[in-house]
Amino acid sequence: GAVVSQHPSWVICKSGTSVKIECRSLDFQATTMFWYRQFPKQSLMLMATSNEGSKATYEQGVEKDKFLINHASLTLSTLTVTSAHPEDSSFYICSARREAGYFGTESFFNQPQHFGDGTRLSIL
Amino acid sequence: AQSVTQLDSHVSVSEGTPVLLRCNYSSSYSPSLFWYVQHPNKGLQLLLKYTSAATLVKGINGFEAEFKKSETSFHLTKPSAHMSDAAEYFCVVSSGYALNFGKGTSLLVTP
Repeated sequence: GAVVSQHPSWVICKSGTSVKIECRSLDFQATTMFWYRQFPKQSLMLMATSNEGSKATYEQGVEKDKFLINHASLTLSTLTVTSAHPEDSSFYICSARREAGYFGTESFFNQPQHFGDGTRLSIL
Repeated sequence: AQSVTQLDSHVSVSEGTPVLLRCNYSSSYSPSLFWYVQHPNKGLQLLLKYTSAATLVKGINGFEAEFKKSETSFHLTKPSAHMSDAAEYFCVVSSGYALNFGKGTSLLVTP
């Protein structure tokens, strides 16, 4: 079953609206979660790394004030697209990786990321 | 820096025939490599991962991949394609905290 839940799966709203997307790790704690954006027929583009209890780390070219990230607990990160415009329409996907303590002899960096089912955002 | 190149943007096979999706990697040290599958309007599902243990990695749904250091390749294979295998496939290398994605290969399975 799904280990990362993302909600909502679809959003259609008017230009100027702010939209919040939630990403939850269901059966493990994740101090780090990741937010990706995917354009049609393209690969995933990392937008930011969400860090529990601290500020997110944004990739170059991603507007911090446009894409607000909050990681208030070990199982929840949220992405808020503020004052969304049609060019923000896209498929947004979050992911999370299990923290140390679950791995045995494997290192943290070898652990796969678990992805949510994505959010299709359409701004009219 | 770690990167991957997926050599085919589209692959078409007939149902019941073998599948080969090609991926080459570039890494300055022993990489962690993954294959993910994405069905339309869905997130990514992990098929398999290589983390310096066995070079032949078996994954879910009958997929497997072989890590070949001499060829810097990590090709994904399946002996017999099923219609439900039609999807987008991503070869991915771990670069510390982040993942570096290939551009994806769209697999079409025809009856």
